[in-house]
Amino acid sequence: GNSVTQMEGPVTLSEEAFLTINCTYTATGYPSLFWYVQYPGEGLQLLLKATKADDKGSNKGFEATYRKETTSFHLEKGSVQVSDSAVYFCALIPSAAGNKLTFGGGTRVLVKP
Amino acid sequence: DTEVTQTPKHLVMGMTNKKSLKCEQHMGHRAMYWYKQKAKKPPELMFVYSYEKLSINESVPSRFSPECPNSSLLNLHLHALQPEDSALYLCASSQGRQGNRANYGYTFGSGTRLTVV
Repeated sequence: GNSVTQMEGPVTLSEEAFLTINCTYTATGYPSLFWYVQYPGEGLQLLLKATKADDKGSNKGFEATYRKETTSFHLEKGSVQVSDSAVYFCALIPSAAGNKLTFGGGTRVLVKP
Repeated sequence: DTEVTQTPKHLVMGMTNKKSLKCEQHMGHRAMYWYKQKAKKPPELMFVYSYEKLSINESVPSRFSPECPNSSLLNLHLHALQPEDSALYLCASSQGRQGNRANYGYTFGSGTRLTVV
């Protein structure tokens, strides 16, 4: 079946530090990959996406590259702010018919001033 | 309009009450979803409507009853809930066609935080 594995949190870091959240996936074919962010008390927002191998998604200083050879889609940001404190979900939609959005377990990030 | 709007934002209900959650989108999306999210967990899929027809029910108890009156609206009717049903209920929408769904992902609402007392 399809699955997404993320590093467990919480990840605590200082403002302006470098952030990496690891994400690996298992899926048949060529899934589309997504990062969603959930700020405290809110719903999910699409942060970035990539639909084919070697695509790089980017938004708000965050980046992730679709690596088919390692089945990974790690999220990175070079300099985090306190406002980046949130839960980040890696997710995929398989290319096969009947595709559904499959989430990883989520990684909580806490940025301290 | 690129939003999914959910009402109410908060709801407290007794175990004998009947209430409804509402979701609306005007992006022309033809697939709509209900998710349930417990604290510190990812969202869990409950129902999928595709072109206004129920296409997936993830073995959800009958005390949850979805309804899709038209392509822009999605309701979730609640009756005789249990305290363990307390959670954040998220609505989402996406392109109807499989390929477009994979290309663009889902758009989520801000959710209804439900407390059953």
